[in-house]
Amino acid sequence: DSGVTQTPKHLITATGQRVTLRCSPRSGDLSVYWYQQSLDQGLQFLIQYYNGEERAKGNILERFSAQQFPDLHSELNLSSLELGDSALYFCASSVEGLAGSEQFFGPGTRLTVL
Amino acid sequence: DAKTTQPNSMESNEEEPVHLPCNHSTISGTDYIHWYRQLPSQGPEYVIHGLTSNVNNRMASLAIAEDRKSSTLILHRATLRDAAVYYCILRDASGAGSYQLTFGKGTKLSVIP
Repeated sequence: DSGVTQTPKHLITATGQRVTLRCSPRSGDLSVYWYQQSLDQGLQFLIQYYNGEERAKGNILERFSAQQFPDLHSELNLSSLELGDSALYFCASSVEGLAGSEQFFGPGTRLTVL
Repeated sequence: DAKTTQPNSMESNEEEPVHLPCNHSTISGTDYIHWYRQLPSQGPEYVIHGLTSNVNNRMASLAIAEDRKSSTLILHRATLRDAAVYYCILRDASGAGSYQLTFGKGTKLSVIP
C-alpha cells in the first residue's frame, strides 16, 4: 500500500460525458502528478500540482483539467469524453517535486468510455 | 528528459540474480537515474535511484557505470513477485523541469518457477 488513494476504481461512461477522478496523496506530500496509461501510448505524464498550484503540464488535452485543493487532494476532470480516453489514470505523490525524490503511485482509476 | 534504452523483455529463473541493463548515452551531469516497476494490474512502484555511486536498498542494487552512460538494476534473488515491467528513467535535477517521470516501454521481466 503506497498510501495514495484513488477513487473510483472503475468508471464506465458514455461518449460526450464528463467525469471526475479523485486522488488523495500520502500524508505530508505536497506534490501530486497525474498520468494516463493506454495500450497504444503507454504511461504518459498529464499534469503536476505542487501545494495547490499548477507546476507543469504534459500531454494533457484541453478537454481535461485538474486542481489541487487546500487539503492537498486533487481532482482530474475529463469532459466531452471520447472512446480514445479509455485508459488507466494514475495519481502519484511526492514530498516535494524534486528530481531525487521518489513518487508514490495510487492503484489507478480504470476509465471505460462506451 | 534524456532518452534511455532497455531490452523489451528478459527471463530469469526463480531465486537467481537478475541484471536488468539500461543505456543512457546522452545523460547529463545533473540527471538522476531512477528505476520503477509495474506489477500486473498495479500502479508503478519506486525501486531505486542514484546519481553517480552504486546504491543498495532492501529491494535491489543499482550499479552505475563510471561514465554514467549505462546502469544495471540488480535483483539479488528473483521471486515470482518480481515479474513486472521495469522502467529506467532519467530525471533532470538542474531545476529546468518539473521532475515528472517520463516512461519508456521498459523491460518486461518474466520469472520462471
